[in-house]
Amino acid sequence: QKEVEQNSGPLSVPEGAIASLNCTYSDRGSQSFFWYRQYSGKSPELIMFIYSNGDKEDGRFTAQLNKASQYVSLLIRDSQPSDSATYLCAVRAGGYQKVTFGTGTKLQVIP
Amino acid sequence: DVKVTQSSRYLVKRTGEKVFLECVQDMDHENMFWYRQDPGLGLRLIYFSYDVKMKEKGDIPEGYSVSREKKERFSLILESASTNQTSMYLCASSSGGPSYGYTFGSGTRLTVV
Repeated sequence: QKEVEQNSGPLSVPEGAIASLNCTYSDRGSQSFFWYRQYSGKSPELIMFIYSNGDKEDGRFTAQLNKASQYVSLLIRDSQPSDSATYLCAVRAGGYQKVTFGTGTKLQVIP
Repeated sequence: DVKVTQSSRYLVKRTGEKVFLECVQDMDHENMFWYRQDPGLGLRLIYFSYDVKMKEKGDIPEGYSVSREKKERFSLILESASTNQTSMYLCASSSGGPSYGYTFGSGTRLTVV
């Protein structure tokens, strides 16, 4: 079992819709959770961080964490073609600085 | 903004060569990391460092070594390059707090022929 699992996609959504990206993790001791966006040919950039159960909102982005289900998600409201990218889920366990990445979900927003 | 600079965007090396990849960050971060990224395999951690002269093996350290003589610089060394080390190499840094994510460099696309 992979430590951090994501559906590779592609996930296609029409412009203006809500895109929902999901991630599960295996280490129950995980404490910090991140979402990175990676455009084709570019390096990942951090877009969201969450560490407590529930929702965290930042503009059009909402991260959701459910530690009991070992599940973290990213919602993108009013999706735009510029949101088309690969989204990487990343998990940090406890006090360790090492982060484990999922393989990413490719999102395509159709104009 | 934190800036992480990787010395080369593209490199082509021959099998058996010793290859040095350099990474410099300008925000006094304690932690630095080297990943490689391959299609279908995602980001895999090679080595990381949480302090000057300190290093820890990641998930795939074989065939690699690292050096961190100064806080701002973290070097990845391919002792004897092989074709299976053809990949995108990404350097990242972060501060010591658990809520801080990584800042990545722009990456080095290494091709070993």
